[in-house]
Amino acid sequence: SQQGEEDPQALSIQEGENATMNCSYKTSINNLQWYRQNSGRGLVHLILIRSNEREKHSGRLRVTLDTSKKSSSLLITASRAADTASYFCATDAPGGGADGLTFGKGTHLIIQP
Amino acid sequence: GAVVSQHPSRVICKSGTSVKIECRSLDFQATTMFWYRQFPKQSLMLMATSNEGSKATYEQGVEKDKFLINHASLTLSTLTVTSAHPEDSSFYICSARDQRGTQETQYFGPGTRLLVL
Repeated sequence: SQQGEEDPQALSIQEGENATMNCSYKTSINNLQWYRQNSGRGLVHLILIRSNEREKHSGRLRVTLDTSKKSSSLLITASRAADTASYFCATDAPGGGADGLTFGKGTHLIIQP
Repeated sequence: GAVVSQHPSRVICKSGTSVKIECRSLDFQATTMFWYRQFPKQSLMLMATSNEGSKATYEQGVEKDKFLINHASLTLSTLTVTSAHPEDSSFYICSARDQRGTQETQYFGPGTRLLVL
């Protein structure tokens, strides 16, 4: 079932600004991942954060996880036009590798040059 | 890195025909693959879990007789949309877990866009 909810649903910012997207989920998780999808294309894995982690960095990306609030945020710093895409969070329920991911509704990010 | 391919990337078919979509893990073996469907401007919804050598597990509301899944080998899963109808038009994406390591990351294929006329 769909449990992730991202907000905002759409975000438009100027190049160089930071973009923050949030994700909430409802059940216990094993880990949470963020993916990017360019229009009509496949998914690109960005970052995975485990349930026992609170923050993770990867290049211009910073992800936080608050399991008490069942929420996560993705921060993209110094945004570029190429960052324009839809961003999805996805949760992996406890149970190991047998489960598929549950995706949020996504945030459509537009970076204006 | 791990690569998953899908074929075809795009297919147009007439209503009532069947369409087969292949999902291959190119440089790793996957005992488990997943099939997702994505309607325009919406998120991905898990349809079924494909298990090598056994029957697929379908999510609630997904008809197993309409969406036939075969996981014939450790690198290939196929999804057949039987008697396709226009409402089956969607973007179908597969993913696979590398059975080595922790299996935390799913690797996604590039997707197959199906249009049923």
